Amino acid sequence: GENVEQHPSTLSVQEGDSAVIKCTYSDSASNYFPWYKQELGKGPQLIIDIRSNVGEKKDQRIAVTLNKTAKHFSLHITETQPEDSAVYFCAASSGAGSYQLTFGKGTKLSVIP
Amino acid sequence: NAGVTQTPKFRVLKTGQSMTLLCAQDMNHEYMYWYRQDPGMGLRLIHYSVGEGTTAKGEVPDGYNVSRLKKQNFLLGLESAAPSQTSVYFCASSYSIFGSPKRPEQYFGPGTRLTVT
Repeated sequence: GENVEQHPSTLSVQEGDSAVIKCTYSDSASNYFPWYKQELGKGPQLIIDIRSNVGEKKDQRIAVTLNKTAKHFSLHITETQPEDSAVYFCAASSGAGSYQLTFGKGTKLSVIP
Repeated sequence: NAGVTQTPKFRVLKTGQSMTLLCAQDMNHEYMYWYRQDPGMGLRLIHYSVGEGTTAKGEVPDGYNVSRLKKQNFLLGLESAAPSQTSVYFCASSYSIFGSPKRPEQYFGPGTRLTVT
């Protein structure tokens, strides 16, 4: 089955700096890659996603890049703010027609004011 | 539009007791999922449903049963709770599956924190 590795497990940045979280996946048939933000005591919330036929997607301060050849994808947050502090999860679908997402183990991002 | 709701929010069980967790969604989504979240483990899929009356096993189904009698509801049951089932349980729903060009994103509920002593 699919295996998703996520790094780093914790990340501290100064307010205004950029943050980058990286994930690798194992199944070359995976075609959908969402990123979720989870605040303390809440459920995960989708912040951005990318499909396998796209190399990069941007939404204001957040961007995701995908390298299908290397089987890795990354989340980039620019101009970080204290409210960006949360746990971020990457995920990958388990191939075409799949109903399942496999999640990384999460990155705890702390933005220091 | 409440999205995905879960009942209860917290529960403490003794080993061997049973309980049912309820998930409800008001987005008319066809697909529903149950995950568990353990520290340092991310989210792992327990069971899922591709439509009313259907259920299927995910990555970690042992010790759990599910039912989808109505499209908007997805129930997760623990017949004989064990301390290893102490976790936070999340329900999610989606409009379509991941190979579809239509909205595949999953929407999550707020979670149920379960402790088994």
